[in-house]
Amino acid sequence: GENVEQHPSTLSVQEGDSAVIKCTYSDSASNYFPWYKQELGKRPQLIIDIRSNVGEKKDQRIAVTLNKTAKHFSLHITETQPEDSAVYFCAASTPGSSYKLIFGSGTRLLVRP
Amino acid sequence: GAVVSQHPSRVICKSGTSVKIECRSLDFQATTMFWYRQFPKQSLMLMATSNEGSKATYEQGVEKDKFLINHASLTLSTLTVTSAHPEDSSFYICSAREPGQGSTDTQYFGPGTRLTVL
Repeated sequence: GENVEQHPSTLSVQEGDSAVIKCTYSDSASNYFPWYKQELGKRPQLIIDIRSNVGEKKDQRIAVTLNKTAKHFSLHITETQPEDSAVYFCAASTPGSSYKLIFGSGTRLLVRP
Repeated sequence: GAVVSQHPSRVICKSGTSVKIECRSLDFQATTMFWYRQFPKQSLMLMATSNEGSKATYEQGVEKDKFLINHASLTLSTLTVTSAHPEDSSFYICSAREPGQGSTDTQYFGPGTRLTVL
């Protein structure tokens, strides 16, 4: 089955700097890759997603890139703000798997003011 | 986006009792719902996929007789933790897939239920 690895586990950046979180997946058939933000004790919130027919997607300060050949995708947050501090999870979904998501291990992002 | 509710938000129970958690899609019909378990500072681990009108599909290592899932309607799925033990204490989160044109994978999560078994 699908396996998703995520790095780094923790990331500390200065406010205004950029943050990059990387994920790799094992199943080349996976075709949907969402990113979720989870604050302590709260539900995961979808912040951006990308499908395998696209190489890059951007939404204001957030962008996601996908390299299907290398089977990895990355989350880029520019001009970070303290409110970006949270745990970020990547995930992958494979066709024919009832759309289930396999999550990475998470990255705890701390944005220092 | 779509709204998913979960009830209760917190529950404390004695060891050996059963606990039922409800997951509802409020503004859409969800043919598929998912149940996850999340231990402190860990990722979301998929427990099972719940399809309306059929038996749930459990992930490897998840005991189907201990974690009973029922998806009786297009807006409600329930998870019952039977004979709960302290090691079942965790954050249980459901999600629902919003149907769309073609294949849509977007999942929306409920707020979670924190279960504490004494």
